[in-house]
Amino acid sequence: AQTVTQSQPEMSVQEAETVTLSCTYDTSESDYYLFWYKQPPSRQMILVIRQEAYKQQNATENRFSVNFQKAAKSFSLKISDSQLGDAAMYFCAYRGNNNDMRFGAGTRLTVKP
Amino acid sequence: KAGVTQTPRYLIKTRGQQVTLSCSPISGHRSVSWYQQTPGQGLQFLFEYFSETQRNKGNFPGRFSGRQFSNSRSEMNVSTLELGDSALYLCASSLAVASSNEQFFGPGTRLTVL
Repeated sequence: AQTVTQSQPEMSVQEAETVTLSCTYDTSESDYYLFWYKQPPSRQMILVIRQEAYKQQNATENRFSVNFQKAAKSFSLKISDSQLGDAAMYFCAYRGNNNDMRFGAGTRLTVKP
Repeated sequence: KAGVTQTPRYLIKTRGQQVTLSCSPISGHRSVSWYQQTPGQGLQFLFEYFSETQRNKGNFPGRFSGRQFSNSRSEMNVSTLELGDSALYLCASSLAVASSNEQFFGPGTRLTVL
């Protein structure tokens, strides 16, 4: 079964600086999708960024980018120029051929002004 | 376009009771997935519905069931509630069943079992 591991329960970053959140996963599939979701306190979960496994190019969305290492089964999220509004729980997720989404345990990001 | 809505937002039940939660997907979305979120177990997939058919199911006991209506609205039911069923239940909708499709999440229903 596919598993997703986020080894950092909590992370902290100074406003305007850069932070990287780690995620590793385990799978025997070759084609799948990886996602980073953000869940602000008491607010809805929203998609931050998505990566298709067969695309070697790392996905980017404005200040958010990923470092996708397929062989190492690693999918880290880099947030540049951190803003106060980036404070949230971040979940790494995997979706493979059977379509059910597997989430990591989450990383709580604090942004210090 | 309105987002995913879930009702009720909060619910308090006692052990042994049953509960029904409702989810209205984004207009045009035909796939609805349900997740359970707890501090201990994190986010766990319950099931996914598309065109009124369950397409995928997570590893939960038979007390957890769901259905989808012709207008894509979905309900999930938990029977014989246990204390461990206390959780935030999230619904997510997407255009169709495909790994690539982005899922849009609702605000969740917080269920407390006493």
